[in-house]
Amino acid sequence: DAGVTQSPTHLIKTRGQQVTLRCSPKSGHDTVSWYQQALGQGPQFIFQYYEEEERQRGNFPDRFSGHQFPNYSSELNVNALLLGDSALYLCASSPSGAYNEQFFGPGTRLTVL
Amino acid sequence: AQKVTQAQTEISVVEKEDVTLDCVYETRDTTYYLFWYKQPPSGELVFLIRRNSFDEQNEISGRYSWNFQKSTSSFNFTITASQVVDSAVYFCALKTGAQKLVFGQGTRLTINP
Repeated sequence: DAGVTQSPTHLIKTRGQQVTLRCSPKSGHDTVSWYQQALGQGPQFIFQYYEEEERQRGNFPDRFSGHQFPNYSSELNVNALLLGDSALYLCASSPSGAYNEQFFGPGTRLTVL
Repeated sequence: AQKVTQAQTEISVVEKEDVTLDCVYETRDTTYYLFWYKQPPSGELVFLIRRNSFDEQNEISGRYSWNFQKSTSSFNFTITASQVVDSAVYFCALKTGAQKLVFGQGTRLTINP
């Protein structure tokens, strides 16, 4: 049983560019959450998708957007990249329900130059 | 608002010592869930334990144990007879009726041989 997978592993972009990160959830999970983890910090919640809708959003600007597909996989898009967007982007999946733990993927390391 | 505080930024011990990682949380919700995750150098967050607000029983799993005390809003994690493989960053996290995980800043644990 594959766990949460993310692609790409690493990415280098320049300021102003746009980026798309991808996530495939663990089998049987229908909820996908995205987190941003800056160096030396704890992960910060970006948003969560369930039934192809954004269910909840953290304090991130509209430059951050997402999508969930019918097979529950998800994309995170970031427009007009800033240097401060450099971070590890983590995807987590879970069955729906607040009780359930989230399982994390290995992350995508984004560097903005 | 929800908040998690891990006051210990870094801990360094010699192998076989016992070590306790502190976690203090804040929430006004009466129903909530607490988690511990381990983040090795590879970057992937590994789920360790979940505890709900109605269950104050301590838990032991091998060399790991967790002490949940609602009276002090704490959920501490102890590693007994530490090993080099325990070296990682450990995060405490809180989830309430909202779906997002709120993480602490993390504690970097180094076990020296």
